[in-house]
Amino acid sequence: AQKITQTQPGMFVQEKEAVTLDCTYDTSDPSYGLFWYKQPSSGEMIFLIYQGSYDQQNATEGRYSLNFQKARKSANLVISASQLGDSAMYFCAMREGFRYAGKSTFGDGTTLTVKP
Amino acid sequence: EAGVTQFPSHSVIEKGQTVTLRCDPISGHDNLYWYRRVMGKEIKFLLHFVKESKQDESGMPNNRFLAERTGGTYSTLKVQPAELEDSGVYFCASSQETGRPKNIQYFGAGTRLSVL
Repeated sequence: AQKITQTQPGMFVQEKEAVTLDCTYDTSDPSYGLFWYKQPSSGEMIFLIYQGSYDQQNATEGRYSLNFQKARKSANLVISASQLGDSAMYFCAMREGFRYAGKSTFGDGTTLTVKP
Repeated sequence: EAGVTQFPSHSVIEKGQTVTLRCDPISGHDNLYWYRRVMGKEIKFLLHFVKESKQDESGMPNNRFLAERTGGTYSTLKVQPAELEDSGVYFCASSQETGRPKNIQYFGAGTRLSVL
């Protein structure tokens, strides 16, 4: 079974509006980290935001925030005030266990298109 | 500070040939990872180096793939002989050894491998 599920292959949003990209995960390990990456057309994967399983508050980084619902095992990315430069593919990823330097597991990605 | 760099950005080879991909991690990063994305599917882990040692190679598909990291700096991933199903984008990532949950993996732009 896939450990990271991103159910939205493609999303559209109007410039300056907010958008939520969905991510659900599956793990039995109580210790894990959740990450979001952005991949623009240039190809490089850019780290956006991190949420730890023991973090009490939802993570925020500028216009990015993570809606972390632990009981539902969801970690949705919210982008506020969308900009044309936000058009890209977005990947949700998870790292399990206390091996903080271990491998990441990724979802299939969501392609976001921001319309002017 | 330079990010993770990968070379070449694109490689086109024929089935049965050999290809070597190179990754230069961020200076000072002990952890180096190889991932690949095949046919628009999720990004899958291949292996993880800590300095020059292979920490986890559970994702390597078969013995046609050989990864090295001599001296604990740059890494190479050789595919010999290449098969059609090896086509995809090969990503390299690196991270510091922080011993903390928020251990961000920084990615390169990937090498797009096309096996004809």
